[in-house]
Amino acid sequence: DQQVKQNSPSLSVQEGRISILNCDYTNSMFDYFLWYKKYPAEGPTFLISISSIKDKNEDGRFTVFLNKSAKHLSLHIVPSQPGDSAVYFCAASGIDGGSQGNLIFGKGTKLSVKP
Amino acid sequence: DAMVIQNPRYQVTQFGKPVTLSCSQTLNHNVMYWYQQKSSQAPKLLFHYYDKDFNNEADTPDNFQSRRPNTSFCFLDIRSPGLGDAAMYLCATSRDRGAGGYTFGSGTRLTVV
Repeated sequence: DQQVKQNSPSLSVQEGRISILNCDYTNSMFDYFLWYKKYPAEGPTFLISISSIKDKNEDGRFTVFLNKSAKHLSLHIVPSQPGDSAVYFCAASGIDGGSQGNLIFGKGTKLSVKP
Repeated sequence: DAMVIQNPRYQVTQFGKPVTLSCSQTLNHNVMYWYQQKSSQAPKLLFHYYDKDFNNEADTPDNFQSRRPNTSFCFLDIRSPGLGDAAMYLCATSRDRGAGGYTFGSGTRLTVV
């Protein structure tokens, strides 16, 4: 049973507009959430994270929002650039979340930013 | 640059022929992980080493083994690869368990023929 869900396999956005990638989780013991970005033929690279004690974390064009009551987080990219085209993985962890603190990943969302 | 290196990038093996994938790190991280990722699926944790302490996930098949001879190196051994084992294998490290961000290698794409 998937504990981290990314229900949109793909998303297409026009350059300059906002990209919103969504992620839902089922385990209420998760307390740390991350987004990874993956280009073809490369490993995932860390993008941004958020602790469960916060509801927002911002880093340049990237903002992650966490809604604990809804068990939902989202990644906002604004403005979107063609170089942002990649697969974005949502991941979660929690020492008491049954995962020994290891990351549990979603299936990823492929973002395409069109010029 | 400190990094996680996986060799080879692409590996083709015969059905049933043992194969070893390697991972090395220059970060001096305590924890090393092996993930399996099949097409359009989430990366799935196979096992991890916390220093020399091996931790197997409950649903990892016995066909998959791992060795960590020292801090820098970790190997994934597939004793008898089946067609269903064709996947991308990702190695990752973290400073400590539950430390949040992992550093990933570029992965090894395994093909079984």
